[in-house]
Order: sequence, then structure tokens, then C-alpha cells
Amino acid sequence: QGQLVESGGGVVQPGKSLRLSCAASRFNFLNFGMHWVRQAPGKGLDWVAVISFDGSEKYYSDSVKGRFTISRDNSNNTLYLHLTSLTSEDSAVYFCAKGRTIYAPQYYGMDVWGQGTRVTVSS
Amino acid sequence: QSVLTQPPSVSGAPGQRVTISCTGTNSNIGAAYDVHWYQQISGRAPKLLIFTNNNRPSGVPDRFSASKSGTSASLTVVGLRAEDEATYYCQSYDSGLSGVLFGGGTQLVVL
Repeated sequence: QGQLVESGGGVVQPGKSLRLSCAASRFNFLNFGMHWVRQAPGKGLDWVAVISFDGSEKYYSDSVKGRFTISRDNSNNTLYLHLTSLTSEDSAVYFCAKGRTIYAPQYYGMDVWGQGTRVTVSS
Repeated sequence: QSVLTQPPSVSGAPGQRVTISCTGTNSNIGAAYDVHWYQQISGRAPKLLIFTNNNRPSGVPDRFSASKSGTSASLTVVGLRAEDEATYYCQSYDSGLSGVLFGGGTQLVVL
């Protein structure tokens, strides 16, 4: 079915940057689009970004556009999220999730999720 | 406030049937984009429950079903069990936002 393990979270000051990683295993990583989804404490799921199987297409939520960058390394089965200009509004658990399909992952749902990594933005 | 509107909570006794609604607009559900449903048990990662309107991944009991009509979708759980207590999210794509949307989530309480 697949396994995803996020890392890189922590406590960071406002305005600073952070890079999250998501290590994929037990599925053919380069055949699927990938998402980042976050969840602030006590809140619902908030989609962040999606990247196509080959990294050629990337889409972002309005709340992170211009500040966050999604990328992937298919040779190492790893997904990344580079977060910059962080504010307290970005404090959340960040999940990576596997798209169900190779094409247009933004349309077809997410069938494997990691356990998440927590980002806390605080001075 | 999410563009996909769900009731904050629903409840039912064991064995009963409950339905969770997800109301969208003509730029998401009404534009024929697929609706997916996720189950999140407290403190755990979300799990795909229903994909592409009414398809269950392997391992999901057939007590769970979903439907879509117009600008709305719904998830139905029959034969409620204590283990169904969780928060349920609908999800679709919005052409106006050019992005993925989640509903605000519905907490299912098994009485």
C-alpha cells in the first residue's frame, strides 16, 4: 500500500525558514503525484500543495503561494516542502500524502498518508 | 470557513444509520469534480474512506457509502459501531481557486 515518513518539523521563529522531508517506500514513488496537507491544532485539514509525478507541475493554496515550495527527488523517493517567511498561522502538523493517480493528482484524492511532522512558529 | 460546508457534528447509537453532508458550489462539486471522503480518528493521520464519489479502497467496510448530486455530496454509515467515532472530511477540487479543498470536518459521535 505504501509508507510515508515525514521529518524536519520543529520550533522556528517567525520570519524564518524550514524544510520538511517525506520519505516514501513500498510503492513506486515516481509514478504518483504527491501532496502536502496541514492541520493546525484543533482545526481541520488544510491542503497546502501538490506536485506531479515528474515535478513539472506544482500547485499551491493561496495561503502559502510565494512562500512555500514543493519539490521532489525521485532518485531518492523523497518529497520536500520548503517553508519561508513563516508566521504563527503556519503552525500545524504537516502531512505528506500520496496521490491516487499518475496524472492530475489534484483531482483524484490521496490514498496513503504519513503520520505528520509538527511545525511550531513561535518567538 | 471552508468552501465545502459540513455539519460540525452528527451522532447516532450503535447499529443506527447516519449521514454527513458536504455542500459545495458550481466551481467544485457542481462542476463534476470528484468527491473523496477521509476518516481521521483522534490523534492519527487521515485515512482515505471513499474515492471518486462512491468507491471504497480495499479494507473499508461496505457499511460506508457515499453519493453526489448537483453541488452536494453525502457520506452514509450504516450499522454504526463504536470504532466509527472519528472526524470525517469531504474533499474535492475547485476550479476558481485552482486547488484542492477540504470540508471543515464532521465529528461523528457514537452514543
